[in-house]
Amino acid sequence: DADVTQTPRNRITKTGKRIMLECSQTKGHDRMYWYRQDPGLGLRLIYYSFDVKDINKGEISDGYSVSRQAQAKFSLSLESAIPNQTALYFCATAGGQNSPLHFGNGTRLTVT
Amino acid sequence: AQSVSQHNHHVILSEAASLELGCNYSYGGTVNLFWYVQYPGQHLQLLLKYFSGDPLVKGIKGFEAEFIKSKFSFNLRKPSVQWSDTAEYFCAVSGNTGKLIFGQGTTLQVKP
Repeated sequence: DADVTQTPRNRITKTGKRIMLECSQTKGHDRMYWYRQDPGLGLRLIYYSFDVKDINKGEISDGYSVSRQAQAKFSLSLESAIPNQTALYFCATAGGQNSPLHFGNGTRLTVT
Repeated sequence: AQSVSQHNHHVILSEAASLELGCNYSYGGTVNLFWYVQYPGQHLQLLLKYFSGDPLVKGIKGFEAEFIKSKFSFNLRKPSVQWSDTAEYFCAVSGNTGKLIFGQGTTLQVKP
């Protein structure tokens, strides 16, 4: 969905490096989410935000941090990457509590 | 806490066979229920959703799901699958917090 853009699409980094994944949206949605997808584990919620001043931890926030720079931008940071953070990361947005999520195309991160 | 369990991890069917994928959830309050599909190499897309009203909901591409409150279930069904239905399917639940939690996913392989 071009309305939710994630950069980069692919990234390979080394253990201990700091890395930031970016997400921007043109849908005008207040709610934004970061998930990671691992085979056999589905999608697990890392962080979510309902507006610029609202940040909430998800199921697996340890080792991650986020920044909601504007309504349209929500970035995910790994302060010191480790190999078990190798995964496919998805950003998603929603217009309200009962609204479905709109996903970006994902960022495939490999930590060596 | 919210949780979602999908019982079938990998399902293999022949074309024209009927499909039912199980989903059970755990949540103490009013729930919103979703099924998403992820085609190979793509991001997640919404198949159908339940908020209230008729517990039998119809989605895109001939899919339907039935909410059975007493069983905490929201199983996905399709009378006759096609090869193009090969994908991974995710059940998800949200409550009044707006936090959307996904199940582990079910990989469906349809043989032509």
